[in-house]
Amino acid sequence: DTGVSQDPRHKITKRGQNVTFRCDPISEHNRLYWYRQTLGQGPEFLTYFQNEAQLEKSRLLSDRFSAERPKGSFSTLEIQRTEQGDSAMYLCASSVIATGESEQFFGPGTRLTVL
Amino acid sequence: KQEVTQIPAALSVPEGENLVLNCSFTDSAIYNLQWFRQDPGKGLTSLLLIQSSQREQTSGRLNASLDKSSGRSTLYIAASQPGDSATYLCVCEQFYFGTGTSLTVIP
Repeated sequence: DTGVSQDPRHKITKRGQNVTFRCDPISEHNRLYWYRQTLGQGPEFLTYFQNEAQLEKSRLLSDRFSAERPKGSFSTLEIQRTEQGDSAMYLCASSVIATGESEQFFGPGTRLTVL
Repeated sequence: KQEVTQIPAALSVPEGENLVLNCSFTDSAIYNLQWFRQDPGKGLTSLLLIQSSQREQTSGRLNASLDKSSGRSTLYIAASQPGDSATYLCVCEQFYFGTGTSLTVIP
């Protein structure tokens, strides 16, 4: 399968613990995006990378959140000192930026539950 | 900041009916708009991408149009089927999502 993959698919953690999610984009896709989605809402943009450079971060991305894409391939999103309000679906997407098309493709998401 | 609105929030139609979903955006200076469907508890599946230079795109029973001057895009679904039941989301410039329209097609 050559689509976007995310790991884990589900994560249950206790408040105050740190969690890390991984996203593997479609190969050759140079852009990678992270979103958060809560029930009944559309995805909210968190951050995106072009190759290994993090180009934009939403104000939603508090100091407890950090994302990396060290080699321009997979990316990790870490949440430190989790809070119950962090419970959401975390979605990753990738695209290739070239002249014309820049269609996004999404992974299945990681559902985080903070108890 | 771009604001994206989708109305209605929910729609229920009988099988076979043609329908239109709406997406409105506040900043007309967009370079693309994409439509997705999302099944419950799942990720997003891309349906159609419209570049700013295009007015519409078609795929099978789906047709998406873009009118930048009025800040609107529509997704037309012909001859709806129960399998079309899902939430439909539009996104401007890959960052700004609407809240979606939940579609139910009744057999």
